[in-house]
Amino acid sequence: GAVVSQHPSRVICKSGTSVKIECRSLDFQATTMFWYRQFPKKSLMLMATSNEGSKATYEQGVEKDKFLINHASLTLSTLTVTSAHPEDSSFYICSASPLGGATDTQYFGPGTRLTVL
Amino acid sequence: GQQLNQSPQSMFIQEGEDVSMNCTSSSIFNTWLWYKQDPGEGPVLLIALYKAGELTSNGRLTAQFGITRKDSFLNISASIPSDVGIYFCAGQSGATNKLIFGTGTLLAVQP
Repeated sequence: GAVVSQHPSRVICKSGTSVKIECRSLDFQATTMFWYRQFPKKSLMLMATSNEGSKATYEQGVEKDKFLINHASLTLSTLTVTSAHPEDSSFYICSASPLGGATDTQYFGPGTRLTVL
Repeated sequence: GQQLNQSPQSMFIQEGEDVSMNCTSSSIFNTWLWYKQDPGEGPVLLIALYKAGELTSNGRLTAQFGITRKDSFLNISASIPSDVGIYFCAGQSGATNKLIFGTGTLLAVQP
């Protein structure tokens, strides 16, 4: 149980285009989902916290107009990278906390590799 | 963003050897977590620690929550080739669900 999926697993796009990444909790409902980015050989850095039905909370230095987050249901959150540029190329990972579960529990997705040409 | 200091940065060992890595923070955490990440994958939880001084095992893995609540260590005994990967510590303050990750330890095991 507690499986989180991400789609797509990898995407290549041209500079200036927008890319949407989906994060789904497959066998549980998630009140809160988190979005991280990870550069090569670096650690995971939290970008934003997403709560179902409300606006996402962004970490300092993360542009909310560039990284649009929507958490429309208890099983789906989306991250849209708008007007992507090569410096946005990274590994994007989501995690989900189960509804009614321990507050410390986060189940991670397999990640999405974004390459912007 | 904030990161936890993790050491060593990398380790190259022979199969069968024991491994130890640690994580330190300037802040107090209520929860310490240890994850393993394989290339191109998301992190997988290995051990969770909830109480200062707590020592918890998961198979060949043992982790401890430091008394000061500002540090934690992870030991792997009798390493095997499939232990290869990047190990991350993560701290959680309890006020939010947010995880602060360590800088990672790359483990390579020579068969």
